[in-house]
Amino acid sequence: ELKVEQNPLFLSMQEGKNYTIYCNYSTTSDRLYWYRQDPGKSLESLFVLLSNGAVKQEGRLMASLDTKARLSTLHITAAVHDLSATYFCAVDRIIQGAQKLVFGQGTRLTINP
Amino acid sequence: DGGITQSPKYLFRKEGQNVTLSCEQNLNHDAMYWYRQDPGQGLRLIYYSQIVNDFQKGDIAEGYSVSREKKESFPLTVTSAQKNPTAFYLCASSIDRFNEQFFGPGTRLTVL
Repeated sequence: ELKVEQNPLFLSMQEGKNYTIYCNYSTTSDRLYWYRQDPGKSLESLFVLLSNGAVKQEGRLMASLDTKARLSTLHITAAVHDLSATYFCAVDRIIQGAQKLVFGQGTRLTINP
Repeated sequence: DGGITQSPKYLFRKEGQNVTLSCEQNLNHDAMYWYRQDPGQGLRLIYYSQIVNDFQKGDIAEGYSVSREKKESFPLTVTSAQKNPTAFYLCASSIDRFNEQFFGPGTRLTVL
């Protein structure tokens, strides 16, 4: 059974600091996704990581994937208040010929002025 | 505008009632999905459909039913058999069963 674990689950940090969210998963997978969710809102796709060593960056966020270690990281550089949200990683599995996503528990990020 | 719509945004149900949540997409996507999110949790898959007139159970299908009579539409019925239906429900679609899923705005269901 594929399990996805994120840590930390809660993160409070000051503006201007750097931090990393970790996503571990238990079995081999082809793709890993990072999503952002604001309170009461839907999921916004941030990154899709397709292969070992993949690194993608958008603004102050950078995501990487190590398939051998079954680990993805989401790094936040010089955090700003607007990045406060809950971040989810999700790993796909192909079951009965269809893609099914398994989500981590989410990391609630609060960035304080 | 292409996208995924869900209605209603908020839904209140009395115990013992069935309710139906709407999900429509105009992206011409073949695959559609329903997820449930409980407070402070990730998403869990309820049902998915790879193509019209076909659907499969996800991880937590008990107490739910779906239909896929049209490509654009994938309604979810929460039946009285679902013991704890209060949650945030998200619909998603993807161009086919192997590609990235995009999410609708969600429906928040509360049982009174």
